[in-house]
Amino acid sequence: KAGVTQTPRYLIKTRGQQVTLSCSPISGHRSVSWYQQTPGQGLQFLFEYFSETQRNKGNFPGRFSGRQFSNSRSEMNVSTLELGDSALYLCASSSGLRRTIYFGEGSWLTVV
Amino acid sequence: KQEVTQIPAALSVPEGENLVLNCSFTDSAIYNLQWFRQDPGKGLTSLLLIQSSQREQTSGRLNASLDKSSGRSTLYIAASQPGDSATYLCAVRGVETSGSRLTFGEGTQLTVNP
Repeated sequence: KAGVTQTPRYLIKTRGQQVTLSCSPISGHRSVSWYQQTPGQGLQFLFEYFSETQRNKGNFPGRFSGRQFSNSRSEMNVSTLELGDSALYLCASSSGLRRTIYFGEGSWLTVV
Repeated sequence: KQEVTQIPAALSVPEGENLVLNCSFTDSAIYNLQWFRQDPGKGLTSLLLIQSSQREQTSGRLNASLDKSSGRSTLYIAASQPGDSATYLCAVRGVETSGSRLTFGEGTQLTVNP
């Protein structure tokens, strides 16, 4: 059974640009969450999608957005990139509230 | 607001030693607590999931305990090996936020010396 797959793994963007990251959850998992990890702030929750609806949202500016498709795949978008958006972005999937949450390998974003 | 704290922040031990990592959380209204391992530059690997109604879970050399009422969990690693070197993170899934939102601690960076 394939794990959580994230693409791209590494990318470099210029300040002011936008970026889209993709996540394919484990087959059968309908919940997909996104996290940002930085050395200074640790792991912070961005948002969660379940059955194409945003179920939870963290404390991030509106430049951070996401969506989920009918096949449970998810994308997150960051517009007007800032240097501080440089981070590891992690996607996670789960099959239920009391089930294990599985993470992907992450997408390393560097903003220059 | 849920807060998760992990102690110690870093730990260095000789190979073969048994060790305990600590995690505390402020709001006991949780569905479960999950322990993860993160290797440098990598994603998170789930180690153990312990439900709010459980006291402990075991997997191989790992044992996690949970005392929900006091807001504490421990991860016990037996007979540590150099391959156990990584950052260990605990995370709770709170009832108040619903869904699959996890609140993470800052992690314990473990180094096992050969």
